[in-house]
Amino acid sequence: GQNIDQPTEMTATEGAIVQINCTYQTSGFNGLFWYQQHAGEAPTFLSYNVLDGLEEKGRFSSFLSRSKGYSYLLLKELQMKDSASYLCAVMDSNYQLIWGAGTKLIIKP
Amino acid sequence: GAVVSQHPSWVICKSGTSVKIECRSLDFQATTMFWYRQFPKQSLMLMATSNEGSKATYEQGVEKDKFLINHASLTLSTLTVTSAHPEDSSFYICSATPGAEYNEQFFGPGTRLTVL
Repeated sequence: GQNIDQPTEMTATEGAIVQINCTYQTSGFNGLFWYQQHAGEAPTFLSYNVLDGLEEKGRFSSFLSRSKGYSYLLLKELQMKDSASYLCAVMDSNYQLIWGAGTKLIIKP
Repeated sequence: GAVVSQHPSWVICKSGTSVKIECRSLDFQATTMFWYRQFPKQSLMLMATSNEGSKATYEQGVEKDKFLINHASLTLSTLTVTSAHPEDSSFYICSATPGAEYNEQFFGPGTRLTVL
């Protein structure tokens, strides 16, 4: 079966760095997405990785290793507004998005 | 660019009534639209995929006669929850993509449905 694993919840301090991991097992691979979702709102796109390596976009970076079925989202200089759920999603061979359950990130002052 | 709107943003209805939710791509043509449902503290659950001008493809366990999807144009898809019951109360989110070769999905703001 298809499976996406990510931690349920993480806590970090304002100004610090946090890494949210995601491992996946899917039938085929057409890219991995990270989305941010604030409570009661729809997800917003953060990043897309289809090749191995690190993609940096401002305070957020995303890494992919296809051979290991592994990705992480790195958030630097954490701000209180970064408190949200972070969803990892993999696009399979049928171009369907397989969603992880999300990681709730709590930022403390 | 790539804005998707949903209407209404929230709705409360009585058990047994039907509710229609609209999803529009405002600045691009959406070849494919997706409908998701999300219960509190759970991940997104894909309900169906719709392509303009053809019948929607429903995920296993989703009743196609209860959740009617119409993708009448390249900018509009509708989801009708027929004979709604309290267990249908959820957050319904649509997303749209310009085409198969462009993988990013653009999400609407979601519709919170409460069935009394």
